[in-house]
Amino acid sequence: SQQGEEDPQALSIQEGENATMNCSYKTSINNLQWYRQNSGRGLVHLILIRSNEREKHSGRLRVTLDTSKKSSSLLITASRAADTASYFCATDGRSGGSNYKLTFGKGTLLTVNP
Amino acid sequence: DGGITQSPKYLFRKEGQNVTLSCEQNLNHDAMYWYRQDPGQGLRLIYYSQIVNDFQKGDIAEGYSVSREKKESFPLTVTSAQKNPTAFYLCASSMMGSTSPQHFGDGTRLSIL
Repeated sequence: SQQGEEDPQALSIQEGENATMNCSYKTSINNLQWYRQNSGRGLVHLILIRSNEREKHSGRLRVTLDTSKKSSSLLITASRAADTASYFCATDGRSGGSNYKLTFGKGTLLTVNP
Repeated sequence: DGGITQSPKYLFRKEGQNVTLSCEQNLNHDAMYWYRQDPGQGLRLIYYSQIVNDFQKGDIAEGYSVSREKKESFPLTVTSAQKNPTAFYLCASSMMGSTSPQHFGDGTRLSIL
């Protein structure tokens, strides 16, 4: 079953603008991770935020986590054409036996136009 | 350089044929995973292994089989029982523990002849 759901499904912006993607999930988590996938390639890990953290930064990336709303957002500032990719959130479940499994959402396709 | 290697990049399967996808990692990771990705979809977990000679079914294991005889290797066999095998298959590995990021290979695209 898919736990994380990204919103929007697709986002098109101009270079230099900021891009915000949202992720909602259903059950309690230990952590939430964001990944990036270029077309036809594997996923690349971007950032991990633990359930006791509210915000985390990494370069041009800013991730927030609201466990009361079971949601997270990924902000990419000053976007570049090279940021064009699909972005996925992934959650780990706290239910027994699934601590090493990640559940991925369907992703947001970000297009950054030059 | 450390990483995960999947081969082949493209694979074609005939009706009634079993095919095996290769996944090798030199990251010294204990855990390895196989995912299936369909167009416009997220990743769905097929099988995962936390230790050599042990593996567990994921969400869509029917029609697939795996083995984990070596820490570095986690091959996936798509059997003839999998009636809709056309998809992009991704292998990943991680250190143990839920806070460990997963490292992915560049995938194998499987199609039906």
